[in-house]
Amino acid sequence: EVQLVESGGGLVKPGGSLRLSCAASGFTFSSFSMNWVRQAPGKGLEWVSSISGGSGYIYYADSVKGRFTISRDNAKNSLYLQMNSLRAEDTAVYYCARVLDTAVITWGQGTLVTVSS
Amino acid sequence: QSALTQPASVSGSPGQSITISCTGTSSDVGGYNYVSWYQQHPGKAPKLMIYEVSNRPSGISNRFSGSKSGNTASLTISGLQAEDEADYYCSSYTSSSTWVFGGGTKLTVL
Repeated sequence: EVQLVESGGGLVKPGGSLRLSCAASGFTFSSFSMNWVRQAPGKGLEWVSSISGGSGYIYYADSVKGRFTISRDNAKNSLYLQMNSLRAEDTAVYYCARVLDTAVITWGQGTLVTVSS
Repeated sequence: QSALTQPASVSGSPGQSITISCTGTSSDVGGYNYVSWYQQHPGKAPKLMIYEVSNRPSGISNRFSGSKSGNTASLTISGLQAEDEADYYCSSYTSSSTWVFGGGTKLTVL
């Protein structure tokens, strides 16, 4: 069974840092691009970042560029999102997502990040 | 990276058909056949319903269909059922190799 399990969310003060992890199983992790997608409370989906299977192609939304870093460890079947200089507007559920071509075919259950003093 | 434009809400009665529009630009929706649609029930993760404008993943009912004309894509749900009540989001790959989502549409089954 294909599974994506996020972890690492929590409460952090503005300006702080947090590292999200996503453990993948049930598929050949290195063969798929992966995305992080977030959803602020009561709001819509927002694409955050993408990384190709071999980490050769990485892209970020303008709203997080320079503050967030996406990475992956194919040996550990894991995806990461390092989030620095966090702001209140980064408060959201962060989803790990498996990509096939140009669609998200598998979503994790999400991890909540709350940025508040 | 402006969000795609969707109506905030649509509604229909059981058995009826509804259509949700998704308007972008020539740099995203209009430029590529890379539009996908996702269904999200409250408190749940999104679920892929349509990919590459009009293709249904395995297991998705043929009551769901997608199309595109110019910069606007559409999702049509026919034979509305109570379990179709959910939020629906469109998404498009863009010319910048980024992704953009629509603001979401709340579907109410009357």
